[in-house]
Amino acid sequence: GAVVSQHPSWVICKSGTSVKIECRSLDFQATTMFWYRQFPKQSLMLMATSNEGSKATYEQGVEKDKFLINHASLTLSTLTVTSAHPEDSSFYICSAYLTGNEQFFGPGTRLTVL
Amino acid sequence: GQQLNQSPQSMFIQEGEDVSMNCTSSSIFNTWLWYKQDPGEGPVLLIALYKAGELTSNGRLTAQFGITRKDSFLNISASIPSDVGIYFCAGQLPTYNTDKLIFGTGTRLQVFP
Repeated sequence: GAVVSQHPSWVICKSGTSVKIECRSLDFQATTMFWYRQFPKQSLMLMATSNEGSKATYEQGVEKDKFLINHASLTLSTLTVTSAHPEDSSFYICSAYLTGNEQFFGPGTRLTVL
Repeated sequence: GQQLNQSPQSMFIQEGEDVSMNCTSSSIFNTWLWYKQDPGEGPVLLIALYKAGELTSNGRLTAQFGITRKDSFLNISASIPSDVGIYFCAGQLPTYNTDKLIFGTGTRLQVFP
């Protein structure tokens, strides 16, 4: 089956610093990657859609200058949380998608901002 | 953001019991998906439904795509302890050339031996 990895699996950082999260599709080339955010006891909320080689499309209410997405190749997308604050603490999950197929989800990255 | 309404919000059942949960939306979806999420993990696809009225099984799981394309249900028969987790429905929206997912609010399942 398709495998998607995320790195790191968890990160703790100080307020004001930036954190980069990687999402990799290990055994297939993904047309598109998606980034979700999940607060405790809540559902997954789509943050942005990322296509290789083009600018990400952000959902309403998601600050594109705060959540920088780079999709450098068909197997790697990165999400950088800039100037992180405690309210950015959350579980960030990516998925990799192949057109006509399903979204394959990564194991998530837990971000804690002190 | 948009979410689908799931019920019940949580369930506490005894091992061996059957479980039923549903998902409703004000919007029409072309595809309905059911996922299970274990603590600290990403969601894993259980069942995908592609046609209105479709009834699909996967082992002890059965799901149906509502005729109106605005709802779906998931049944789990003869529950076991490893069924514990959070179950999410998701509707798929064909958007441009990328299919976005809208997730439900989730049903938290606890199974007691």
